Amino acid sequence: DVKVTQSSRYLVKRTGEKVFLECVQDMDHENMFWYRQDPGLGLRLIYFSYDVKMKEKGDIPEGYSVSREKKERFSLILESASTNQTSMYLCASQPGRAGGHQPQHFGDGTRLSIL
Amino acid sequence: SQQGEEDPQALSIQEGENATMNCSYKTSINNLQWYRQNSGRGLVHLILIRSNEREKHSGRLRVTLDTSKKSSSLLITASRAADTASYFCATRAGGFKTIFGAGTRLFVKA
Repeated sequence: DVKVTQSSRYLVKRTGEKVFLECVQDMDHENMFWYRQDPGLGLRLIYFSYDVKMKEKGDIPEGYSVSREKKERFSLILESASTNQTSMYLCASQPGRAGGHQPQHFGDGTRLSIL
Repeated sequence: SQQGEEDPQALSIQEGENATMNCSYKTSINNLQWYRQNSGRGLVHLILIRSNEREKHSGRLRVTLDTSKKSSSLLITASRAADTASYFCATRAGGFKTIFGAGTRLFVKA
């Protein structure tokens, strides 16, 4: 079974801090994604990566950056945390090419609170 | 705007009944997927149906796809209390993105 591991289930940080969320997958998947999930809004894509050192902006990249130095690890960085970034963050991985027929595999999420 | 929109937003049924959730989308797709999310956890993939398929089954799950109406439905037969969760449809076109709807919250009463 594919395992996607997010480093923390719960995290509390202060406004203005630089926050790192880590995600590791163990199935050699090419594609990795970061989403945030807020009530009533579904999942919104922040950034994704289809290869090492490659990254693409999603729908809501403002205030975030990412890093993919190794294939198995995809990090989400909140440059200067703000209260409106309080949310559930979900990481996913996926094999294959653009437009392919493979589902995404999700971690259990990090519930981040910015005080 | 979101590609997939589920209907209803919430559904409450008795154990043993069938649950039907619907999804509508706006643009052409390569495939449509359904995921389940238990409270406080990540999403789990349930079933994927390609744009050239009309129906797919997996255990107690039945998914239909009508590309002319840009809609899909997920049927869970003989529901159980353990089926209580949120269910999301997601669509994928030609790129890397998968677009998720806001979900249907299903509550199955024992």
